[in-house]
Amino acid sequence: GAGVSQTPSNKVTEKGKYVELRCDPISGHTALYWYRQSLGQGPEFLIYFQGTGAADDSGLPNDRFFAVRPEGSVSTLKIQRTERGDSAVYLCASSPGSLRGNEQFFGPGTRLTVL
Amino acid sequence: AQSVTQLGSHVSVSEGALVLLRCNYSSSVPPYLFWYVQYPNQGLQLLLKYTTGATLVKGINGFEAEFKKSETSFHLTKPSAHMSDAAEYFCAVSGSGNTGKLIFGQGTTLQVKP
Repeated sequence: GAGVSQTPSNKVTEKGKYVELRCDPISGHTALYWYRQSLGQGPEFLIYFQGTGAADDSGLPNDRFFAVRPEGSVSTLKIQRTERGDSAVYLCASSPGSLRGNEQFFGPGTRLTVL
Repeated sequence: AQSVTQLGSHVSVSEGALVLLRCNYSSSVPPYLFWYVQYPNQGLQLLLKYTTGATLVKGINGFEAEFKKSETSFHLTKPSAHMSDAAEYFCAVSGSGNTGKLIFGQGTTLQVKP
């Protein structure tokens, strides 16, 4: 079946602009995660959804970052007033549930470049 | 709190040689541990995981890892490296609570020389 997909694969924007990154999880997966991977680093947790609600947003760096999952499937990560430090690969993952041992299935990521 | 340290950002081995990638963790709760592999322009793929039970865990592509509580380690090994194993490898620990979020190490790039 289809895996996790993310669009766009690459996004170049200018400092101060607004961007939206989309994630389509595996069908039926109730848990959805966003991570950010900076160059040479491992992924860092941003936010977790169980169904439609953001159950844990403790990883969002500041209030310029926001994410939604209105129907419990597709999720959008929104970044306002982008800064050069926001440049990174944004990864989305989904899982059948949020148990600690569950495998997370990752998308290929969106590479965001802020000029 | 949970954290992961991967010793060695780059590891180079010859084809056919033993692969050893090191991972040490810190966890305030019994750890659930994972190894993921990332090939260029692809998403992270689960190699193996430890939750409970047998401490020697076998994964895909001939990889295995052993959970050693006394050493707080979860090193990844493969007896004989293939060229196709060249990739970036990430060790991760599951955070506390019921979110399932992962805390990753900084990654180790494995180079396999012919």
